[in-house]
Amino acid sequence: GAVVSQHPSWVICKSGTSVKIECRSLDFQATTMFWYRQFPKQSLMLMATSNEGSKATYEQGVEKDKFLINHASLTLSTLTVTSAHPEDSSFYICSASFRGGGSYNEQFFGPGTRLTVL
Amino acid sequence: GDSVTQMEGPVTLSEEACLTINCTYTATGYPSLFWYVQYPGEGLQLLLKATKADDKGSNKGFEATYRKETTSFHLEKGSVQVSDSAVYFCALKETSGSRLTFGEGTQLTVNP
Repeated sequence: GAVVSQHPSWVICKSGTSVKIECRSLDFQATTMFWYRQFPKQSLMLMATSNEGSKATYEQGVEKDKFLINHASLTLSTLTVTSAHPEDSSFYICSASFRGGGSYNEQFFGPGTRLTVL
Repeated sequence: GDSVTQMEGPVTLSEEACLTINCTYTATGYPSLFWYVQYPGEGLQLLLKATKADDKGSNKGFEATYRKETTSFHLEKGSVQVSDSAVYFCALKETSGSRLTFGEGTQLTVNP
């Protein structure tokens, strides 16, 4: 149980276009979803935290107009990279947790999405 | 603020060798501690966890003990396999909330 999927698994786009990445909790209702960014051979950087039905909370230095996050339902969150540029190329990982998911609100991670902007 | 410091990699071992990856942390409260593993091109998988001091987390032959006195959570395995080759992340979570703080990650390569 507690499976999180992401779609697409990889995407290549042209500079200036927008890209949407979906994160779904397949067998549980996610009260909170997290979006991370990972550069090659580096750790995960938390971008934002979103709760269902409310606005996302962005980490310092993350442009909310650039990285639009929508958490429309308890099983789906989307990250849209608007007007993507080559420096946005990265590995984007989502995770989800649910209230009562263990005493420590464990996060369950998706498989990640590789974004390449040409 | 909270922070996690991991042993620098990469680490290269021969099959059946012993593994230790050091992890120390700084936190204001009493965090839960985790080790995650990331295989090439994939997301993170929880490997093991410990929620209070002196707890030992274990899974797939890996172990880590929550040491409050040394603020450490070192990952150990007595005999590694080629299939253990991956990046390992130490992480902590404060008691309240769900936010995870990750270490830098340690790349492990196990050669046959």
